Amino acid sequence: AQSVTQLGSHVSVSEGALVLLRCNYSSSVPPYLFWYVQYPNQGLQLLLKYTSAATLVKGINDFEAEFKKSETSFHLTKPSAHMSDAAEYFCAVSDHSGDKIIFGKGTRLHILP
Amino acid sequence: NAGVTQTPKFQVLKTGQSMTLQCAQDMNHNSMYWYRQDPGMGLRLIYYSASEGTTDKGEVPNGYNVSRLNKREFSLRLESAAPSQTSVYFCASRNLLSSYNEQFFGPGTRLTVL
Repeated sequence: AQSVTQLGSHVSVSEGALVLLRCNYSSSVPPYLFWYVQYPNQGLQLLLKYTSAATLVKGINDFEAEFKKSETSFHLTKPSAHMSDAAEYFCAVSDHSGDKIIFGKGTRLHILP
Repeated sequence: NAGVTQTPKFQVLKTGQSMTLQCAQDMNHNSMYWYRQDPGMGLRLIYYSASEGTTDKGEVPNGYNVSRLNKREFSLRLESAAPSQTSVYFCASRNLLSSYNEQFFGPGTRLTVL
């Protein structure tokens, strides 16, 4: 069965600092991986997705993620945090049948002025 | 396109009352999903419908029923609400031409059961 683990339920970074949100997955087949963002009182929006075309994936708002098969990781990064990045971030993996997407428990990102 | 819409946005029920959460999508997606979101638990799948006319249980189906009314609409029913069902409910849809297609989410329904 596929699963996703997000390390750290809360992460705080200073404005302008590097953002790193960690995600590790478990999958017996090549996975499809996603990062979603949820702003307060809103639904989830797709930030980026990995579909095996390239290991480094660029998304919206300068976020990117790198697929590392050897580490079974798909960490999300942004070079310089902005106050508007404060939100909850979810890593997700598509299961083998494609019917379902399995979500991690989420990481809440806090931006310090 | 409106995307995925959900009604109502907020609801307060008393224990034992019933209600139906409505969801509709206008993207011609074949798959639809219902999740609940609770603090520290992430999103948990309640039910999903891979295509019109089919429904399947997810991780936490107890206390819920669903109906895939047509390709556009997927409703979630609580027959006898319990305080443990206090949560935020999200509907999502997906175009399952390929398993790497993402889900699109509605704005959510915030439900409180007293």
